[in-house]
Order: sequence, then C-alpha cells, then structure tokens
Amino acid sequence: GENVEQHPSTLSVQEGDSAVIKCTYSDSASNYFPWYKQELGKRPQLIIDIRSNVGEKKDQRIAVTLNKTAKHFSLHITETQPEDSAVYFCAASTQGSARQLTFGSGTQLTVLP
Amino acid sequence: EAQVTQNPRYLITVTGKKLTVTCSQNMNHEYMSWYRQDPGLGLRQIYYSMNVEVTDKGDVPEGYKVSRKEKRNFPLILESPSPNQTSLYFCASSLGSSAGELFFGEGSRLTVL
Repeated sequence: GENVEQHPSTLSVQEGDSAVIKCTYSDSASNYFPWYKQELGKRPQLIIDIRSNVGEKKDQRIAVTLNKTAKHFSLHITETQPEDSAVYFCAASTQGSARQLTFGSGTQLTVLP
Repeated sequence: EAQVTQNPRYLITVTGKKLTVTCSQNMNHEYMSWYRQDPGLGLRQIYYSMNVEVTDKGDVPEGYKVSRKEKRNFPLILESPSPNQTSLYFCASSLGSSAGELFFGEGSRLTVL
C-alpha cells in the first residue's frame, strides 16, 4: 500500500518568516494530495489540496507544490503568524478524492513571536 | 449545522471489556472512515465504508470491527480491547467519489488499562 513520509517532525520559525514542510509518497498511482491542520485539542481540518494534473496551487499565504516525477509534494506558508502554530499532516490517495487517504506522521509547527 | 458526532469523547476501560464508539454524520455523505492518531505515527486508517453495507479494512484493522447499516452511522467496535488500542480515534466522512474534503469528528480518547 501507499506510504507517506513527512519531514521535519518539528519546525520552529520566527513570526513573519516562511515555513516549508515536505512529503514523499511511494505509490505512483496517487493522484490527490491534501494538507490538514490540527490545532491543539482540535480535529484535523483541510487547508489546501492539489491534484496530480496540477503542479502548484496557492491560497493566500499557503501554497502547495507537487513533483510527480520525484513523488514529492510540499506545503509552503509565508509570513507566518502565531495562529499558524499547529500540527500539519500531508496525505495521499489513489482515488482522486478524500477516500482511502494515507497520512504522513505530522509536523509540529511553532511560530515564535 | 453540518457535523460528524462521536461518542463517547473520553473513555477509560479495562482489558477485554467490549466497547463501541459511535459515529454519526448529518451531511448525507457516502464515505465514512475511522482513523487512530498516535504520537509520531500520524493518522492511520482502521476501516472505511464506501456506502451502506460496504466496508473494507484500512491499514490497521486488527482488533476492530465496524458496521454500516445506515448511511449516517458508522460505529467502531472493540470486541476485546487491549492496552495497545489506547489512542485518539477520529471518525470522518466525505461526500463522494470526487470530493476532496474529509470532515472529522471531534475525536474519542480511549484508554485501555
């Protein structure tokens, strides 16, 4: 089955700096790649996603890039703010949707004021 | 309000005492799934259901059972809980085959002594 590896496991940045989280996947048939944010004590929530026919997608301060050849995708957060502090999970699916998502192990992002 | 509801939210039990964690969604979603979250391991899928009476194993199904007799409900059953099933459990649902977002419940923290 699919295996998703996520790095780093923890990341601290100064407020206003950028943060980058990277994931690799093993199944070349994967075609849907979402990112979820989980604040402390809360449920994971979708923040952005990308499908395999697109190389990059942006939504305000967050962006995701996908390199299908390398089986690698990344989350970029610019101008970080304290409320960006959370655990971020990448995921991958071969179903083109949220079905049968395989998640990475998570990255604890801390934005220092 | 659109939501996924899990009960109980917190439970402490003893080894071997059967328990059920209920999950209900009010969004008429076809797809439902159970994940467990453990430190350093991310979210791992236990079971999923594509529709009523259609269920399948995820990555870590051992020790768990599920049923999908109604579209809105997807209970998780631990027939004989063991300490290694101590975890945070999330139920989630999604609309259909091309839908990207997985809506999570608030989580159920289970401790097995």
